[in-house]
Amino acid sequence: DAGVTQSPTHLIKTRGQQVTLRCSPKSGHDTVSWYQQALGQGPQFIFQYYEEEERQRGNFPDRFSGHQFPNYSSELNVNALLLGDSALYLCASSTTDNLNEKLFFGSGTQLSVL
Amino acid sequence: AQKITQTQPGMFVQEKEAVTLDCTYDTSDPSYGLFWYKQPSSGEMIFLIYQGSYDQQNATEGRYSLNFQKARKSANLVISASQLGDSAMYFCAMREGHKFYFGSGTKLNVKP
Repeated sequence: DAGVTQSPTHLIKTRGQQVTLRCSPKSGHDTVSWYQQALGQGPQFIFQYYEEEERQRGNFPDRFSGHQFPNYSSELNVNALLLGDSALYLCASSTTDNLNEKLFFGSGTQLSVL
Repeated sequence: AQKITQTQPGMFVQEKEAVTLDCTYDTSDPSYGLFWYKQPSSGEMIFLIYQGSYDQQNATEGRYSLNFQKARKSANLVISASQLGDSAMYFCAMREGHKFYFGSGTKLNVKP
């Protein structure tokens, strides 16, 4: 049973470029959340997708957008990259009908913006 | 106000001893969940333990236990019989609705 998988594992971009990160949830999970983790800090919630809709959003600008596909996989898009967007981006999946709603995380995508 | 506060940036513990990692939280929602995750240097977040706001007893998972003091809004993680492999970052998190909030983490170093 595959867990949460993310691609790519590392990415280097320059300021102003656009990036797309991908995530496949754990089998049986229907909800995907994205987190940004800057160096030395805890993960910050970006947004959550359920039934192909953005259900909740954290305090991130519109440059951060996402998508969920019918197979529950998800993409995170970041436009007009800034140096401050350099971080580890974590995808987490869960099941909405589980009251404990434990998050299962992928290994992350390390994004470096030069 | 911070939703999750972890006041110990770093901790040292001797192998085989117990250690407590502190966590306080802030919410007005009567229904919430509290979690602890471990993040080794590889980066992946590993679930350790969960406590629901309505749970009467403290959660335990093997060597991990959660000291839940609802009135104080604290959810400290206790690791018994520390092992070298326990060296990692530890994050306390709270689920409020469908959102998760994470603390800034505690870096635990287990000394041989």
